[in-house]
Amino acid sequence: DIVLTQSPVLAVSLGQRATISCRASQSVSISSINLMHWYQQKPGQQPKLLIYRASNLASGIPARFSGSGSGTDFTLTIDPVQADDIAAYYCQQSRESPHTFGAGTKLELK
Amino acid sequence: EVQLVESGGGLVQPGRSMKLSCAASGFTFNNYDMAWVCQAPKKGLEWVATISYDGSSTYYRDSVKGRFTISRDNAKSTLYLQMDSLRSEDTATYYCARLDYSSSFAYWGQGTLVTVSS
Repeated sequence: DIVLTQSPVLAVSLGQRATISCRASQSVSISSINLMHWYQQKPGQQPKLLIYRASNLASGIPARFSGSGSGTDFTLTIDPVQADDIAAYYCQQSRESPHTFGAGTKLELK
Repeated sequence: EVQLVESGGGLVQPGRSMKLSCAASGFTFNNYDMAWVCQAPKKGLEWVATISYDGSSTYYRDSVKGRFTISRDNAKSTLYLQMDSLRSEDTATYYCARLDYSSSFAYWGQGTLVTVSS
């Protein structure tokens, strides 16, 4: 299985930039297609798709969210961080089955 | 508006069965692959199973192969998960999700909690 590694916690100040990383145990890219996606989950709610295929903003998601990366290293950036962004963030690969998720990064306020 | 509404969760004894349903609306159900994703209490997300748009192909994570069956009724726009021989480690909130052409889980239901305990 492809293992996705995320830091458990990231503390940021409101108005600052948050950079959340996800490292895969093997490449999740096919040619130029990066099969990595990012989700936000607030307590008591279902996950919400933020970014698909590494860098594409999902419908209705604010432009302060962006994604980048290829191969094994991917980044979700939130700039600037707002109070509503305090949540857990998960990366997920669809390069091969099983479609694994990272353990999640909890974004906290400093 | 895309809506996915799960039902059928609750408390069940180890070794027993349970069937979850997910009623879909707001999109053409038979155009999309669908999936179940679970989340154990205070834990991360785990993909469980996927079914193709026409039901002809199914895929499962190893820990549920032979015990869980994903199916769909396109006439009723409903997704199912039949769970047999349930174990305590199956305790989780189960989410129904629609896969998009990008192969991401584009839409999620609110989830239904399954608790396996005697």
